[in-house]
Amino acid sequence: GAVVSQHPSRVICKSGTSVKIECRSLDFQATTMFWYRQFPKQSLMLMATSNEGSKATYEQGVEKDKFLINHASLTLSTLTVTSAHPEDSSFYICSARDRGLHYGYTFGSGTRLTVV
Amino acid sequence: GQNIDQPTEMTATEGAIVQINCTYQTSGFNGLFWYQQHAGEAPTFLSYNVLDGLEEKGRFSSFLSRSKGYSYLLLKELQMKDSASYLCAVKDDKIIFGKGTRLHILP
Repeated sequence: GAVVSQHPSRVICKSGTSVKIECRSLDFQATTMFWYRQFPKQSLMLMATSNEGSKATYEQGVEKDKFLINHASLTLSTLTVTSAHPEDSSFYICSARDRGLHYGYTFGSGTRLTVV
Repeated sequence: GQNIDQPTEMTATEGAIVQINCTYQTSGFNGLFWYQQHAGEAPTFLSYNVLDGLEEKGRFSSFLSRSKGYSYLLLKELQMKDSASYLCAVKDDKIIFGKGTRLHILP
């Protein structure tokens, strides 16, 4: 079945540094990927929609200059958290649209980011 | 705007049945998902409804009424491992999640 690989699973970084998170579709081509953020005991909040070969579409309130999204190929989207601060500490999850699935979406395993 | 409502928490007993409700008001609708999420893990797919009616899959069933903007997830023969959060999500051109229902199972 469709598999989305997300790396790293956990990362700790210092305040002010940047962190890159990768999301790969392993056995299908994903023209569209989605990035979510989840704070403790809260639901997943959609941050942005990543489209291969074009600019990402950000949800209201999400800073596009802080959360850089690149979707340069049909199997890879990256989210870079720039100049990270402790309040950016969260669980980040990607998902990809797989047209082979009747419901179309599969999720990565998530990345736990801790900014110290 | 988009609004998806579900109870924040529920408690049930091992072996029993529990129903988790979800109501939604969204600008578009192309299907409704239920996901299970254990603490610290990514959500896992449980069910997908796009037409009205009941979809049964083992111990889990999901119901949808598009005219009422309503769905429920029914869990039967509850097991301790079912203690988790259950997320209702609506698909338009993207998937929007509700806040989730934390289900506690008592022995």
